[in-house]
Amino acid sequence: GAGVSQSPRYKVAKRGQDVALRCDPISGHVSLFWYQQALGQGPEFLTYFQNEAQLDKSGLPSDRFFAERPEGSVSTLKIQRTQQEDSAVYLCASSLAAGSYNEQFFGPGTRLTVL
Amino acid sequence: GQQLNQSPQSMFIQEGEDVSMNCTSSSIFNTWLWYKQDPGEGPVLLIALYKAGELTSNGRLTAQFGITRKDSFLNISASIPSDVGIYFCAGPRVRSQGNLIFGKGTKLSVKP
Repeated sequence: GAGVSQSPRYKVAKRGQDVALRCDPISGHVSLFWYQQALGQGPEFLTYFQNEAQLDKSGLPSDRFFAERPEGSVSTLKIQRTQQEDSAVYLCASSLAAGSYNEQFFGPGTRLTVL
Repeated sequence: GQQLNQSPQSMFIQEGEDVSMNCTSSSIFNTWLWYKQDPGEGPVLLIALYKAGELTSNGRLTAQFGITRKDSFLNISASIPSDVGIYFCAGPRVRSQGNLIFGKGTKLSVKP
């Protein structure tokens, strides 16, 4: 497809379980962003990749959150020992270029529910 | 830090009505963005504003970048049922690689 895709679309995890969320950006897009969107809120920045380099992880809420983009295309957001407060929609966005602002294209998100 | 305040939080529309919503900040933004998010989908960019005072239209949508660079508004004229959804204003955080700060959204619903 031409857009950003994410999988799974829905994930239910028991508290304490590890989860992995996948993002396939638009082909050729240099920049990749992860955002977390709690219910009734706007998305909040988690982390940013330029190609395979993670240049900004200032938004990751704890060291249980880890992201990677080893070959500069697909990215995975991993959450270890999930907690109920991790329940949210996790959005991935990609943009063609790097630096300053370039239009970001969002995927449909993964809705994570932690029981 | 930079924050965006949107109002109203929610509003009900009747088909054909004009709609107005706005976004303010205590700090300056150099770019203002308006997104729409439908249930189960990611945000989709509607309008991008790059210059203070700029007024930009996209079909029935019109948005303005405030002169002070601390506010923006979005107008929708002659609303139709598919306009329902959540509208977010957003802007790039300063000294970042373009990561976005979002408001909390304005939810547009159809009057019963």
